[in-house]
Amino acid sequence: GAGVSQTPSNKVTEKGKYVELRCDPISGHTALYWYRQSLGQGPEFLIYFQGTGAADDSGLPNDRFFAVRPEGSVSTLKIQRTERGDSAVYLCASSWGRTDTQYFGPGTRLTVL
Amino acid sequence: DQQVKQNSPSLSVQEGRISILNCDYTNSMFDYFLWYKKYPAEGPTFLISISSIKDKNEDGRFTVFLNKSAKHLSLHIVPSQPGDSAVYFCAASRNAGNMLTFGGGTRLMVKP
Repeated sequence: GAGVSQTPSNKVTEKGKYVELRCDPISGHTALYWYRQSLGQGPEFLIYFQGTGAADDSGLPNDRFFAVRPEGSVSTLKIQRTERGDSAVYLCASSWGRTDTQYFGPGTRLTVL
Repeated sequence: DQQVKQNSPSLSVQEGRISILNCDYTNSMFDYFLWYKKYPAEGPTFLISISSIKDKNEDGRFTVFLNKSAKHLSLHIVPSQPGDSAVYFCAASRNAGNMLTFGGGTRLMVKP
């Protein structure tokens, strides 16, 4: 079946702008995760959804970052007033449940000029 | 404070030989460990995992070893193939779920 998809694949924006990144998880997966990968580093956890609710948002770096999953499927990561330091690859992963293997999407490469 | 570390940024191995990738962790609460493989412009792909109640798990050419007292795990690939060339990430979690904490990755190059 289809894997995790993320759109757009690339996003270039200017400092101070607002961006939205979308994640379509594998059908039926109830758990959804967002990670951020900076150049030369491993992915870092941002937020985890179980169903529609954010079960753990301890990885969000500050209040400019927000994520939603209103119907328990598609999720959107929203970044306000982007800064150059936000430039990274944003990865989404999903799993059947909290304790199951996480399957990753290809990521969205965000560049803030 | 990096809780999961991969101290070798790169490793080069001849095709057919064994590749050994290493990972160390500091958080004794971690009880589930995974290896992911990543090709350029793709997301990480799950390879193999191990629970802290085991010290070895094998899947085909891939074996993961866990040494809890040393807080160390390793991934063995035998025999190595050119298609194994990728970046390998070690990851850890508590209670086999929830957030994953990743190491910085090791780039494996398998030469024909």
